[in-house]
Amino acid sequence: DAKTTQPNSMESNEEEPVHLPCNHSTISGTDYIHWYRQLPSQGPEYVIHGLTSNVNNRMASLAIAEDRKSSTLILHRATLRDAAVYYCILSRGSNYKLTFGKGTLLTVNP
Amino acid sequence: DGGITQSPKYLFRKEGQNVTLSCEQNLNHDAMYWYRQDPGQGLRLIYYSQIVNDFQKGDIAEGYSVSREKKESFPLTVTSAQKNPTAFYLCASSTEWGAYNEQFFGPGTRLTVL
Repeated sequence: DAKTTQPNSMESNEEEPVHLPCNHSTISGTDYIHWYRQLPSQGPEYVIHGLTSNVNNRMASLAIAEDRKSSTLILHRATLRDAAVYYCILSRGSNYKLTFGKGTLLTVNP
Repeated sequence: DGGITQSPKYLFRKEGQNVTLSCEQNLNHDAMYWYRQDPGQGLRLIYYSQIVNDFQKGDIAEGYSVSREKKESFPLTVTSAQKNPTAFYLCASSTEWGAYNEQFFGPGTRLTVL
């Protein structure tokens, strides 16, 4: 399975944009890029996913590099409720499953 | 409201006992999943089911069993053969099996073996 690399932790200030990076240099053409987040003692929550083009939804934006070897999750205005562990995950159509690494712990300062 | 429910929230078990964790969804999803999470770690896939009456082993199926007799239910049994069962267990579902599908997660069951 293709792997992802994320920073262990990041900090942000409330109401500022946050850019969470993810490297996936061994990504294949059929791999989707997913982002989930998890608050303490809760189940993960879907954030966004994409294949090749940048994606936007009400929660965030996903910017995918042209060579697809990296991507960035963008939270446009961080709030305290955005403090969570963010997971960047690749899934392949032929063997679909989500493999969660350790993710990035995002701390949002008031 | 549609969603996934897991019960109980906390579960205590003595060594050597089997225990069954409940997972129910009313989202009309075909695919369901069980994950295990250890402290400070990501989730690991135990079992998954693409459709009713079918299920497959995930990455760490040893010591676990499942059934999928109804579309809305996917119970997980932690058997005495599971050597280190203390963990946070999460159930999820998706509309269908596929790399592009969003998974919806339940609130989890925290199992502690005494």
